[in-house]
Amino acid sequence: DAGVIQSPRHEVTEMGQEVTLRCKPISGHDYLFWYRQTMMRGLELLIYFNNNVPIDDSGMPEDRFSAKMPNASFSTLKIQPSEPRDSAVYFCASSQGTGNTEAFFGQGTRLTVV
Amino acid sequence: GQSLEQPSEVTAVEGAIVQINCTYQTSGFYGLSWYQQHDGGAPTFLSYNALDGLEETGRFSSFLSRSDSYGYLLLQELQMKDSASYFCAVRSLSDAGNNRKLIWGLGTSLAVNP
Repeated sequence: DAGVIQSPRHEVTEMGQEVTLRCKPISGHDYLFWYRQTMMRGLELLIYFNNNVPIDDSGMPEDRFSAKMPNASFSTLKIQPSEPRDSAVYFCASSQGTGNTEAFFGQGTRLTVV
Repeated sequence: GQSLEQPSEVTAVEGAIVQINCTYQTSGFYGLSWYQQHDGGAPTFLSYNALDGLEETGRFSSFLSRSDSYGYLLLQELQMKDSASYFCAVRSLSDAGNNRKLIWGLGTSLAVNP
């Protein structure tokens, strides 16, 4: 398996524009997580899905952020409108169950909002 | 609130042993994980402890004491390639108490010098 695949790897956009980040989890994994990483706040869980259903979105900063998982192999995180404070690295991760289990991370999308 | 504390930086020399501590204060506890992240890369899973004691995997070991809300990652025979950030993460209850989630520390930056 190719692992968790995220696109794009880098995104530079102007304030006010819509940004869509994409993620393909590992086949067979039933949990998908979206994280944001910054120097100041570290890794923050934004939202996670189980079997394509959002379970906990308490980490989504505000209404400008939305996430969908239309099927088991694809998820999007959308920011509309984007703001400079949204600049961060966004990671998608997937796992099989939430027991111990190891979460596998994608390579991340580095978002810069100018 | 829920929080994890770990040192922000540690420096060591090749061949040495280093211990990275993690103390946690969470509303539930199901296990302690450790992840490694190289600059520009994605977090990768190192270990998981659900029960008290030491788990050894090659040069890396992880320890947990649930009564002390404390764990550590022990890295032996340090190599230059071990220079990275190390995160502890606790599987805990969400703030709403209705599901489990990973709570992350801010990471420890390890520099291994020749």
